Amino acid sequence: AQSVTQPDIHITVSEGASLELRCNYSYGATPYLFWYVQSPGQGLQLLLKYFSGDTLVQGIKGFEAEFKRSQSSFNLRKPSVHWSDAAEYFCAVGIGGSQGNLIFGKGTKLSVKP
Amino acid sequence: EPEVTQTPSHQVTQMGQEVILRCVPISNHLYFYWYRQILGQKVEFLVSFYNNEISEKSEIFDDQFSVERPDGSNFTLKIRSTKLEDSAMYFCASSGYTGELFFGEGSRLTVL
Repeated sequence: AQSVTQPDIHITVSEGASLELRCNYSYGATPYLFWYVQSPGQGLQLLLKYFSGDTLVQGIKGFEAEFKRSQSSFNLRKPSVHWSDAAEYFCAVGIGGSQGNLIFGKGTKLSVKP
Repeated sequence: EPEVTQTPSHQVTQMGQEVILRCVPISNHLYFYWYRQILGQKVEFLVSFYNNEISEKSEIFDDQFSVERPDGSNFTLKIRSTKLEDSAMYFCASSGYTGELFFGEGSRLTVL
């Protein structure tokens, strides 16, 4: 069955430090992969997506993610975290005939220390 | 910037009551979705809607649930007879031809 695993429930990093949020998926075919961010009281905002082509994708707010088929991973990275990046981050895989049928991971909450 | 809007932001209802959650998708979008997130759990796909009919639905979307687009702008989710386990945050989303989903801020449903 298709699934998405985000092994880290909560991560705390210092402002200015680098960040990597892990995501592993289980899906038989080539997946569509997404990272969303949710700030408190807000909806889900798309950070970046991978459909095909270059396995390193750039997103908004300085985020990037790398698709590694051999590891079934799509980790999210940012070289220098800002206090405003504190939020919950969700990895998702698109399945089925519609790109809108997404399976989400449980999310990783990011806290940023000053 | 265009956005998906949802009402109400929070609804409290008694078990067995009918609830309608409303969404106004982005105006030129053609695909519409409902997701839900039970507290502490994953965001789960409920249903997708295109060309005035359901295109996909999950196992969660049973006969108690229905969706419609009554007037060309609103997209509603109806729960006929709410159960305690329907308590969750419900997210509406819409997408155009790029496939990117734009989510609303969610409607929190509390069933007592």
